[in-house]
Amino acid sequence: QSALTQPASVSGSPGQSITISCTGTSSDVGSYNLVSWYQHHPGKAPIVMIYEGTNRPSGVSDRFSGSKSGNTASLTISGLQAEDEADYYCCSFTGSSTWVFGGGTKLTVL
Amino acid sequence: QLQLQESGPGLVKPSETLSLTCTVSGGSISSSSYYWGWIRQSPGKGLEWIGNIYYSGGTYYNPSLKSRVTMSVDTSKNQFSLKLSSVTAADTAVYYCARWYTSDWYVDSWGQGTLVTVSS
Repeated sequence: QSALTQPASVSGSPGQSITISCTGTSSDVGSYNLVSWYQHHPGKAPIVMIYEGTNRPSGVSDRFSGSKSGNTASLTISGLQAEDEADYYCCSFTGSSTWVFGGGTKLTVL
Repeated sequence: QLQLQESGPGLVKPSETLSLTCTVSGGSISSSSYYWGWIRQSPGKGLEWIGNIYYSGGTYYNPSLKSRVTMSVDTSKNQFSLKLSSVTAADTAVYYCARWYTSDWYVDSWGQGTLVTVSS
């Protein structure tokens, strides 16, 4: 069970949009619509931003959106704000009630 | 307001067994809507799913850790636990307990995390 592949870092200026990719295989991301995305500020508990690939929990800004194409899921943050600076992790179902996370992406707001 | 709190030794010797407990307050661990799990983050690395347990005792483990992991649940105490045997320095991490919402399959609540260091 290999970790999903995410870019180590992305950056953007306030107001811009960025996209974080999460690449898996046909056994995980490609087979199930069960990708979630988590925002993690160091020292705090992670927070879910997207679930089932495209759905936003109540309370999460509509600046956050998710999508999937083939074996790659993506998280897009529009209208970047300083408070968006954090680590972001994707997570996918891999079958047989098991899960795998991505390696994480550090978002820097310039 | 649901709260999850990890507890256990912060220092474990190599080859010994790491034991952690997660106490759930503000909600019942016996709800059929949730699984309960453990996730860890080694220093400088990403999150790693360790395993999940249902209130009835059904368990699901990360294949790469399966031979060393045991999870259990105590519904009378509203707690669930993790045991990881034969630990090495590579098991040094912040360990989070978490609640998985089964309708939409995501972690909707996390503990604050507890650092466990493996060192002699």
